[in-house]
Amino acid sequence: DTGVSQDPRHKITKRGQNVTFRCDPISEHNRLYWYRQTLGQGPEFLTYFQNEAQLEKSRLLSDRFSAERPKGSFSTLEIQRTEQGDSAMYLCASSWRDIMNTEAFFGQGTRLTVV
Amino acid sequence: QKEVEQNSGPLSVPEGAIASLNCTYSDRGSQSFFWYRQYSGKSPELIMFIYSNGDKEDGRFTAQLNKASQYVSLLIRDSQPSDSATYLCAVWGFGNEKLTFGTGTRLTIIP
Repeated sequence: DTGVSQDPRHKITKRGQNVTFRCDPISEHNRLYWYRQTLGQGPEFLTYFQNEAQLEKSRLLSDRFSAERPKGSFSTLEIQRTEQGDSAMYLCASSWRDIMNTEAFFGQGTRLTVV
Repeated sequence: QKEVEQNSGPLSVPEGAIASLNCTYSDRGSQSFFWYRQYSGKSPELIMFIYSNGDKEDGRFTAQLNKASQYVSLLIRDSQPSDSATYLCAVWGFGNEKLTFGTGTRLTIIP
């Protein structure tokens, strides 16, 4: 399978705990995006990387959220001190950015439930 | 004003008819336009992209782009029940290089 892979698919955590999600992009893609989606809404941008550099982070994102892409391959998204409002589907996508940005493909997503 | 706007629907179309989905965007610098289909509980799946003004056809799907009007649409011909899903419009541009999504239009094909 050469698509975008996310792990875990589902995560239930207690409020106040930390969680970490992993995304493995399509291998030749240099750009990686993280989005959050709640019911009835479109994907909301969180952050994106070009290779290992984090180029943009949403102003809506609190300091509890951090993302890394240490070697320009897989990425992790960590949420510290989770709150019930963090419950959502967390989506990762990758694309190739050269002269233009090619189409982005999504992983299956990680569904987070904070209880 | 939202950056990318779509009618939330739901849009109901009889099986076999043409479904028309619309999207407007605010950033005139937008360069690339994407349509995704999302089934309930699943992640978005890319179905079409378009860069140039005019029409682009792929099977039963046609994307239409009018940059002057800042408008992009998706037509689905011979609609099938399996086309019932939420359709997301996304835009990308130089200087605003995150993919920005609309809220999606929920489409129901009535057998």
